[in-house]
Amino acid sequence: KNEVEQSPQNLTAQEGEFITINCSYSVGISALHWLQQHPGGGIVSLFMLSSGKKKHGRLIATINIQEKHSSLHITASHPRDSAVYICAVKGGGGADGLTFGKGTHLIIQP
Amino acid sequence: DVKVTQSSRYLVKRTGEKVFLECVQDMDHENMFWYRQDPGLGLRLIYFSYDVKMKEKGDIPEGYSVSREKKERFSLILESASTNQTSMYLCASSLFRGPKGYTFGSGTRLTVV
Repeated sequence: KNEVEQSPQNLTAQEGEFITINCSYSVGISALHWLQQHPGGGIVSLFMLSSGKKKHGRLIATINIQEKHSSLHITASHPRDSAVYICAVKGGGGADGLTFGKGTHLIIQP
Repeated sequence: DVKVTQSSRYLVKRTGEKVFLECVQDMDHENMFWYRQDPGLGLRLIYFSYDVKMKEKGDIPEGYSVSREKKERFSLILESASTNQTSMYLCASSLFRGPKGYTFGSGTRLTVV
């Protein structure tokens, strides 16, 4: 069973700062997901990665398959980025569910 | 806008009641999943289904069952609700194969009293 570790667990930063959230996993995967959850809300899928790097607006996600590590970066952070960010991995096969990290609680102060 | 819809946002049930949580997706996805989310434990997989009438146990199936009679609908059943099943329940769906990701519902916060 894959173990997914995220760091930091909690992060408070000032508006405009560059944010990095890290995720490591123990067993090879077919895909890694970065998810966002606002307080009381459902979960939104930000990225799905199997290699390299993806960018969407101010969000950048990278993955290093050899090192079993991924990072989520937020440039020019804004208070509306405050949320829980969750890393999740998928093993091989078509139907298996995801294994989740415990999440990083991000607060961006104005 | 494609989506996964969970029938209730908040539910309060009594211990011993039979509880149904419904999830409907409009994306013609083969896979559907039920997760529960608890503080300090993160999200854990209860059951999933990869086709109509097919189901597989996840990591924590005890005390739960599921039903998938139609492709678009996946129901989670608590046969006899207990207080330790108080949690946030999230439904998700995905394609069986291909590069697409998961789509999650908004969640149902269930309180068993």
